[in-house]
Amino acid sequence: KNEVEQSPQNLTAQEGEFITINCSYSVGISALHWLQQHPGGGIVSLFMLSSGKKKHGRLIATINIQEKHSSLHITASHPRDSAVYICAHGGSQGNLIFGKGTKLSVKP
Amino acid sequence: KAGVTQTPRYLIKTRGQQVTLSCSPISGHRSVSWYQQTPGQGLQFLFEYFSETQRNKGNFPGRFSGRQFSNSRSEMNVSTLELGDSALYLCASSLAPSRANTGELFFGEGSRLTVL
Repeated sequence: KNEVEQSPQNLTAQEGEFITINCSYSVGISALHWLQQHPGGGIVSLFMLSSGKKKHGRLIATINIQEKHSSLHITASHPRDSAVYICAHGGSQGNLIFGKGTKLSVKP
Repeated sequence: KAGVTQTPRYLIKTRGQQVTLSCSPISGHRSVSWYQQTPGQGLQFLFEYFSETQRNKGNFPGRFSGRQFSNSRSEMNVSTLELGDSALYLCASSLAPSRANTGELFFGEGSRLTVL
């Protein structure tokens, strides 16, 4: 069974803090997506990665294929980073399997 | 470059009615996938179309259907609406089908359906 587990479910941080969100999955995959969803509902794709590490601005995503684990890091967090962060990977039928999301709130 | 456009953004229907939602992908993208998001189940895959062909389908009843036109625009239809169909319906477009795992996904803002 394809499963994606994210932790923590909820996260509150002070502005400027370093944030880590974790994602574990149960089957071998070829790529993993990190998505960001703001309260309005729209989803933005942050990263798609299959190995190693990717960086975009203050966001860093890493993946360890052998351990079936990925992390999303936010450096120098800001209130505008407040959103739900979702990881997802491709299922065996070509669909996407999503985690439940991590709700991040960054306080000024 | 215009993003993914979904219409309508909000709609209210009553049980038993049917609804059609539209998704216009980014120009040049041939893959369109649809997702349902509810507070209880989170995001779930509905189906994916590529070059007018349905490539993959999630575990949803036959009341949920879709199609893709030659210009890559896609529609999804839900017939005989139930209260549990109330959700945010999102579509995403990409250059390549998701199975190839090479396509970054670009999401629309979603269509929020309320069934009364």
